Amino acid sequence: SSELTQDPAVSVALGQTVRITCQGDSLRTYYSSWYQQKPGQAPVLLIYGKNNRPSGIPDRFSGSSSGTTASLTITGAQAEDEADYYCNSRDSSGARVFGTGTKVTVL
Amino acid sequence: EVQLVESGGGLVQPGGSLRLSCAASGFIFSSHSMSWVRQAPGKGLEWVSYISSNTYTMYYEDSVKGRFTISRDNVKNSLYLQMSSLRDEDTGVYYCVREGYGDYVFDSWGQGTLVTVSS
Repeated sequence: SSELTQDPAVSVALGQTVRITCQGDSLRTYYSSWYQQKPGQAPVLLIYGKNNRPSGIPDRFSGSSSGTTASLTITGAQAEDEADYYCNSRDSSGARVFGTGTKVTVL
Repeated sequence: EVQLVESGGGLVQPGGSLRLSCAASGFIFSSHSMSWVRQAPGKGLEWVSYISSNTYTMYYEDSVKGRFTISRDNVKNSLYLQMSSLRDEDTGVYYCVREGYGDYVFDSWGQGTLVTVSS
């Protein structure tokens, strides 16, 4: 099955912009979705498709993709954005796959 | 409101079996593909298994193939995961997840049920 690789941790100053990346061969063919998970809680869908946000997700979250890399950008990071972030996609066999996860710290 | 409520987790010895259930409500269950996703303590998310809305298609993560079986009952609005030959590494929180907004997009999650495999 395919793999999706993320940086383990990133930090961002309050109000600044941070980009989280997700790399994998399957991303040449399939879009990535992005999820936020806070301690003790279930993940929440942030971004899906080309760059779509479910209702209720702030517009400071955006997604993009190029080649084998998908990115999640938080523009104007807030204290409540401190969390773990995961990308996901699928491979050609139909198996779903998650990225390794990125811990975001807001300074 | 979409609700997914898992049950059936608990402590089981290595080599044992367990059946997880997920009760769905607040949406047309038979119209959505579903998956199980797990998370070992302190680790990342891991997709486990998928079943299509009509039950015709199922996929499994490599490490659970031949040991886990996913199923659903569209009359009872329920999703199941039969787990056998359990290993220590199967320990974790198991989430019932709906696919919506398109293929492999997990738009609704349950709160999870904890499975602990230990002697």
